[in-house]
Amino acid sequence: NAGVMQNPRHLVRRRGQEARLRCSPMKGHSHVYWYRQLPEEGLKFMVYLQKENIIDESGMPKERFSAEFPKEGPSILRIQQVVRGDSAAYFCASSPPQSSYNEQFFGPGTRLTVL
Amino acid sequence: KQEVTQIPAALSVPEGENLVLNCSFTDSAIYNLQWFRQDPGKGLTSLLLIQSSQREQTSGRLNASLDKSSGRSTLYIAASQPGDSATYLCAVRGTGNQFYFGTGTSLTVIP
Repeated sequence: NAGVMQNPRHLVRRRGQEARLRCSPMKGHSHVYWYRQLPEEGLKFMVYLQKENIIDESGMPKERFSAEFPKEGPSILRIQQVVRGDSAAYFCASSPPQSSYNEQFFGPGTRLTVL
Repeated sequence: KQEVTQIPAALSVPEGENLVLNCSFTDSAIYNLQWFRQDPGKGLTSLLLIQSSQREQTSGRLNASLDKSSGRSTLYIAASQPGDSATYLCAVRGTGNQFYFGTGTSLTVIP
C-alpha cells in the first residue's frame, strides 16, 4: 500500500509564474489536508478537502491560492503569480473516511523555491 | 485560538539516555494529539496518536502521555539511539478540522 505521494518534490518558479502541486492520498483515503512549512516555522494548516468538496479553507491566503480534489485524480494546490514569500515546503496529508481514529499520514512534501 | 508549544527547542544527549520531550497546548477541547518525527528535508512520520479519552500510547521505545486538563503531553524515548536524531513535532486536533502544530524539538543523539 503506497503512502501519500506528492509531486514534484522540488519546484522552482520565477516571480509571477504559477505553481501546481499534486497530492495523491493513500489508497482508501478520502480526506486530504494541505499544510505549509515556512523556514524556521511550524506547519500551518491551509485547507481540508474531501472528494469534490472544500470542507475548510480557513488557513488559505485569500488571494492567489486555490485547492481542489476532483472525483478522479490527485488533489491540486495551485498558487498563481508566485512571490518570494511563497517559498516553503508544502505538505499534504490524508486520512481515511471519518472515524474515531483520524490519524493523518503525510507525504514527503514539495519544496517550492521562488526566484 | 489554539497555540502549541514545544520545549526544549533543541536537545542533545549521549546515546543510551532516556529522554522526555514536552508539548503544551492552550485549549483543552481537543479531539486527539499526534506525535511525528521529521528528518531533514523529509516529510513527517507518524509516531503515536492519542485520542482525547486516552492517557497514553506506547510503541516500542516510545511512550506518549496526555493530560488534557492541564494541556500537556510528553513523549518519552527510552535508550536513545543515533537513529532517533530528528525533529519531533506534536500536533493537536481541535473540534474543528484544523491540526495545530508546535515548532518542534530538534533532537541529536551523540554516539
